[in-house]
Amino acid sequence: SQTIHQWPATLVQPVGSPLSLECTVEGTSNPNLYWYRQAAGRGLQLLFYSVGIGQISSEVPQNLSASRPQDRQFILSSKKLLLSDSGFYLCAWSVGATGNTIYFGEGSWLTVV
Amino acid sequence: AQSVAQPEDQVNVAEGNPLTVKCTYSVSGNPYLFWYVQYPNRGLQFLLKYITGDNLVKGSYGFEAEFNKGQTSFHLKKPSALVSDSALYFCAVIRGGSARQLTFGSGTQLTVLP
Repeated sequence: SQTIHQWPATLVQPVGSPLSLECTVEGTSNPNLYWYRQAAGRGLQLLFYSVGIGQISSEVPQNLSASRPQDRQFILSSKKLLLSDSGFYLCAWSVGATGNTIYFGEGSWLTVV
Repeated sequence: AQSVAQPEDQVNVAEGNPLTVKCTYSVSGNPYLFWYVQYPNRGLQFLLKYITGDNLVKGSYGFEAEFNKGQTSFHLKKPSALVSDSALYFCAVIRGGSARQLTFGSGTQLTVLP
């Protein structure tokens, strides 16, 4: 069966520091991968998605970037964090080009202080 | 364009009573509809989906949802609520195609009172 791992679970970072959140999927090949942000415990915003290694699409211009160095690895990064980057970040995956169901990781709480 | 509305921010129900969490959608063409549940400080868990076929879809933890094309609704239901069902519930829709086009509702907080 497929599993998704996301880490770290909790992170407190000062303004201006870098960020790296990592996500890996097991049990499937060539998944579509996603980064979402959930603000105020409600609304879900798609930040990035990837259909393959090195292929990243950005949905919203912002202070963040994403990379996919391996088939089942997805990384969310920032060179300099802003206070407004605080939130709950969720990695997710779906099956290839025809997959219509998204499965989420456990999320990472980021607090920028 | 596609959208989904969850008209109730909060739903309270007594344990043992039936529960309904409402969802309406707007999409051109045939919708794919989903329900997810989120427990505090956790990721979203997939509950069920409607793609085609029987309008009544059964999912995890005893939940079911009914697709009503005429009312453009996809309400989540459970015959007998448990305290452990208390969580945040999200409805989502896409018009076929890739999951990256998934549009989520704003969520409904369900509280089951003992």
